[in-house]
Amino acid sequence: QQQVKQSPQSLIVQKGGISIINCAYENTAFDYFPWYQQFPGKGPALLIAIRPDVSEKKEGRFTISFNKSAKQFSLHIMDSQPGDSATYFCAASTETSYDKVIFGPGTSLSVIP
Amino acid sequence: NAGVMQNPRHLVRRRGQEARLRCSPMKGHSHVYWYRQLPEEGLKFMVYLQKENIIDESGMPKERFSAEFPKEGPSILRIQQVVRGDSAAYFCASAVLAVGNEQFFGPGTRLTVL
Repeated sequence: QQQVKQSPQSLIVQKGGISIINCAYENTAFDYFPWYQQFPGKGPALLIAIRPDVSEKKEGRFTISFNKSAKQFSLHIMDSQPGDSATYFCAASTETSYDKVIFGPGTSLSVIP
Repeated sequence: NAGVMQNPRHLVRRRGQEARLRCSPMKGHSHVYWYRQLPEEGLKFMVYLQKENIIDESGMPKERFSAEFPKEGPSILRIQQVVRGDSAAYFCASAVLAVGNEQFFGPGTRLTVL
């Protein structure tokens, strides 16, 4: 019940295309859903996050869509660029700091020119 | 405001030796989390600490691993009698309770056990 599932495992997108990564969770107590971006040799960095009181959040080229009834959420990267090539992790937790963040297994994104 | 700092960045140990990994949280952060990342895998929670207290260690192996976050100084993750399977990247994150559960990660320590 603590799992976060993520797909696809890897993704290749042409420059200018849309990258879509999907995640699903089971624990209905989760109420905070961050996405992290990790470049090789670096630590994960928070990219964007959403709480379940909204169905969509957009920051620049990055959009999170959230479907509370289906317990699914996704990341869309519009106009994908080679610099977006990284590993993306979806995650879930409760909003208090007294809980750990549960990470999905990650999606390796390659944006080709 | 410096970010989360971890040292060393790379650590090589022979089987049976001890590994000590250090993490200095961001200024003002009193919550520290340790994660392990195996090659081609996601991050797995290990332990959550506040100053002088272990809050949740449900992800820590029962033997050889320990963690502390003293009143003064960095948080330490200690691995005794390392084995090859301990080779991984170990990340520390810190958080401030007041802003929900946003965790800020350090650059990681890459442990290689020969």
